[in-house]
Formats: sequence, C-alpha cells, structure tokens
Amino acid sequence: DAGVIQSPRHEVTEMGQEVTLRCKPISGHDYLFWYRQTMMRGLELLIYFNNNVPIDDSGMPEDRFSAKMPNASFSTLKIQPSEPRDSAVYFCARSGPSSTDTQYFGPGTRLTVL
Amino acid sequence: SQQGEEDPQALSIQEGENATMNCSYKTSINNLQWYRQNSGRGLVHLILIRSNEREKHSGRLRVTLDTSKKSSSLLITASRAADTASYFCATVSGGGADGLTFGKGTHLIIQP
Repeated sequence: DAGVIQSPRHEVTEMGQEVTLRCKPISGHDYLFWYRQTMMRGLELLIYFNNNVPIDDSGMPEDRFSAKMPNASFSTLKIQPSEPRDSAVYFCARSGPSSTDTQYFGPGTRLTVL
Repeated sequence: SQQGEEDPQALSIQEGENATMNCSYKTSINNLQWYRQNSGRGLVHLILIRSNEREKHSGRLRVTLDTSKKSSSLLITASRAADTASYFCATVSGGGADGLTFGKGTHLIIQP
C-alpha cells in the first residue's frame, strides 16, 4: 500500500465531456505529483504541489487541463473538454519531506476518451 | 522530455538467471531511482541511489551509478517468475527542478 488512493480506476467518456480524476494521499506528505503514462510518450510529469500549492505546471499539455489541491489529503485533475488524445493512465504520487525523496504512486486511473 | 533511456527495451530470460538493465541519462542529477510496474498496476519504488553513491543493494537487487558516464544499471539476481514486469529508471535533476523524469522502461519477462 503506497498510501495513495485514486478514483475512479477506470473512466470511459466521450469527446467533449468533462473528466475529473481524484487523488487522496492517505499518509503524511509534503509533495503531490500528477503523471500521465502513454505508450507513445511514456511517463510524463504534469504538475506538482508543495504543501497544497502548485509549484510547476509546465507539464500540463494544454489549458484544457487543470489541477487543484484544496487540502493536504485531496487533489483533482480536470480535463475540460476531453479529447481522444487524452486517453492514458493518470497517476498521482506523494513524496516528502523533500521533493527529491522516493515517490509513492497510486494505482492510476485509466482514461479512455471515445 | 525523456531523461533516462533504458536498455534493452525488452528482455526475456529463464527463471534463476540474472537480469541486467541499463539506464542512461543526459543532465546532472540529484539522485536516480528505479521503479517496477506490473501490468495494469502502479509503480513501485525499488531503490534510490544518490549522485555521490556508486552502488547500492537491496535484497536481490543491485544498482550501480556512474555519473561520469551518466549511466546506471539494475541487476536482479536469481530471477523469479514474479519479477516479470516493466522496470523504469527515473532521475531527479541536480538543477533544482522537482519531479521525476522517466525513461521508457525495460519489459522483463522471466520464463519458468
């Protein structure tokens, strides 16, 4: 158990719909990361938070993507509107107290956009 | 962008043999980490090696780091069928940027 819960585990939606992915780090941490995994591009860092504050969102592919962390135990990644090329597995991971420490990953959300 | 590049992309060996995977990277690092991913699952951390370390062991795993060549290797000794998975190296930049930069992984198959 990596101490990170993600929901839903699978999401199938149609192009143009809004998608919200959720992450709950259930153990103490200072950093929260969102990654995306595709066959073509591998694992990519999208955005990360330190103490609930977004630090670097340069990996977010487009303005259609947004992420929030309203408290230390909850984060969301939203895609609006979704497109077929957003189909991927999305992971969140926690680390701390330093951002260079080991990261503990959630099981991921497999998103399919039709 | 990819930092670590694993070699080989795929490896198939017999149970009981040793498996060696290599990783090369491009820029200076704070540390390098190896992760395992079983099919359809999340990533599991295996070992973290810091830039001032040359070798680290954990059970049947041995990791080496050569910062002059910007390369690392992961050795799994006495492989088991349960070791079948994809293995990724990931680097933490030495330049202050946070987050892991992953390679595309080595898919390891252990044949019983």
